[in-house]
Amino acid sequence: DSGVTQTPKHLITATGQRVTLRCSPRSGDLSVYWYQQSLDQGLQFLIQYYNGEERAKGNILERFSAQQFPDLHSELNLSSLELGDSALYFCASSPRQEGGYTFGSGTRLTVV
Amino acid sequence: GESVGLHLPTLSVQEGDNSIINCAYSNSASDYFIWYKQESGKGPQFIIDIRSNMDKRQGQRVTVLLNKTVKHLSLQIAATQPGDSAVYFCAETYSGNTPLVFGKGTRLSVIA
Repeated sequence: DSGVTQTPKHLITATGQRVTLRCSPRSGDLSVYWYQQSLDQGLQFLIQYYNGEERAKGNILERFSAQQFPDLHSELNLSSLELGDSALYFCASSPRQEGGYTFGSGTRLTVV
Repeated sequence: GESVGLHLPTLSVQEGDNSIINCAYSNSASDYFIWYKQESGKGPQFIIDIRSNMDKRQGQRVTVLLNKTVKHLSLQIAATQPGDSAVYFCAETYSGNTPLVFGKGTRLSVIA
């Protein structure tokens, strides 16, 4: 157990739907990062939050959004889902805005 | 758990042999590098890191070499074991303030 908790582990939904993925960082970690891992793209950075504020944005689609709450957990919202959104979504946390990350075990999203 | 099934280069080694996994990084300004191991159904796990003011760093059975001239990283695993079978990613960042950028990954397969 890495200390980073992601729920749910698996999610199957239809095109056009909206889902929310949840991440609880390691105790004491202020930074949360979201990554998408698909067959052809490897690990792609989506977005970073630090202590509740957005710090960096990567290749995140406009249909996707995220937030970090006062208790430091984070949610990634994916809407108007398309088949191509099927992937593993990982959350990672770190104590500061820098340094190595600790990853959760991911949420596998399947859009049908 | 399920594997991502990434289309990756594969390195096959005999159990007990040494493994060398290579990575070409993209940003000449990157100054902090990390190797991660991802087993099937799990999130990436930190193995070893190195800063750009070093060219070699050793851990337990692992060594990372950095050649800034040609923007090249390598991970050496001594006495490779079946438990080392996984996908290995290198990641880079600049001054730790930018999110980690991951390489494509290499699948290591250990033959018993």
